[in-house]
Amino acid sequence: DVKVTQSSRYLVKRTGEKVFLECVQDMDHENMFWYRQDPGLGLRLIYFSYDVKMKEKGDIPEGYSVSREKKERFSLILESASTNQTSMYLCASRDREVNIQYFGAGTRLSVL
Amino acid sequence: AQSVTQPDIHITVSEGASLELRCNYSYGATPYLFWYVQSPGQGLQLLLKYFSGDTLVQGIKGFEAEFKRSQSSFNLRKPSVHWSDAAEYFCAVGAPMEYGNKLVFGAGTILRVKS
Repeated sequence: DVKVTQSSRYLVKRTGEKVFLECVQDMDHENMFWYRQDPGLGLRLIYFSYDVKMKEKGDIPEGYSVSREKKERFSLILESASTNQTSMYLCASRDREVNIQYFGAGTRLSVL
Repeated sequence: AQSVTQPDIHITVSEGASLELRCNYSYGATPYLFWYVQSPGQGLQLLLKYFSGDTLVQGIKGFEAEFKRSQSSFNLRKPSVHWSDAAEYFCAVGAPMEYGNKLVFGAGTILRVKS
């Protein structure tokens, strides 16, 4: 079974803190994605990685960075968290053979 | 650039009634189309997908969707809704030739089921 694991379900952080969101997949997929989900806006792509050490900006990369040092792990970094980054964050990995993205359960981040 | 519109933010149906969730997309060629479902507090689960071929596609949990090129639509249907179908539903479009096949999602439709 496909498994995408996000390390935290809920996080509460202070404004200005550096925040790491971790995502691990066990399917040996090359492509991984970070989305942000907000009510009425659906999912918006922050960054994606098409292979180890490779990354590309999505639609809303401002205020975020990513790291992909190993194939199975894709990290989203908020360098200095702000209240407008309070949101649900979803990680996905893509099976290129069948062209399907599989999602983790999400991390609900609150920045106070 | 591709875009997706889900015109209905909320839909309420009675248990046992039929369901249709609307999805319109904008893309210059034949897109890859997906429907995902998100139960409260969960990630997204794929219901079904359309890449090519038969325009009526069957998915999991008794759902189906029909691709209509002339209307740029990919509506999701279920003949008889169960209380467990209450969730948020997302339509998504992907560009087949784009590296990494980034998806663009609609804003979602929240389905409520009344008994």
